[in-house]
Amino acid sequence: EPEVTQTPSHQVTQMGQEVILRCVPISNHLYFYWYRQILGQKVEFLVSFYNNEISEKSEIFDDQFSVERPDGSNFTLKIRSTKLEDSAMYFCASEGGQYYTQYFGPGTRLTVL
Amino acid sequence: DAKTTQPPSMDCAEGRAANLPCNHSTISGNEYVYWYRQIHSQGPQYIIHGLKNNETNEMASLIITEDRKSSTLILPHATLRDTAVYYCIVLSYGGATNKLIFGTGTLLAVQP
Repeated sequence: EPEVTQTPSHQVTQMGQEVILRCVPISNHLYFYWYRQILGQKVEFLVSFYNNEISEKSEIFDDQFSVERPDGSNFTLKIRSTKLEDSAMYFCASEGGQYYTQYFGPGTRLTVL
Repeated sequence: DAKTTQPPSMDCAEGRAANLPCNHSTISGNEYVYWYRQIHSQGPQYIIHGLKNNETNEMASLIITEDRKSSTLILPHATLRDTAVYYCIVLSYGGATNKLIFGTGTLLAVQP
């Protein structure tokens, strides 16, 4: 069964550094999402992406964040200058098919020191 | 904000059916009810969805009331591996995006 994959599984970085989180969506899907979950809190929507552009973004997704689909398979989330409060699990999801169902990857745990 | 209300936690004995309720009294006619679960900080896992008819798949059954204001997710024979947070989400299609708005869900603890 096709699945969404994410790398790395855990990323540790220093405050102020740039990080890139990578996702490989399910191959025939066209809609892509990033969500995050701070420890002990709800899963929060960050951004959606379709046809090589952002469809919607949340208040969290400020100028420090960017997304890109650099080739036909990868979907990336970049945080330009990480802050302590960016520490969270980041989930990628892709959507396609008849019923608009989103399928999530296993997540990347980002720890900012 | 999430448009659904769920109990914060429930227990279920292993092998028994787990019935997880969800209220969505403000649901619109074109909104679907989706269920996901999250096992200990893993990525949310899709379970099932429906519009107004009851639905069943290999994981679960979804019972939606006739007025569509509430629904119940049924895991027919719960196992220890079903211990997770279960999220009920309403979603309408066709907008710019189909973002999912997660609430706090129901923590289902399956007891041996």
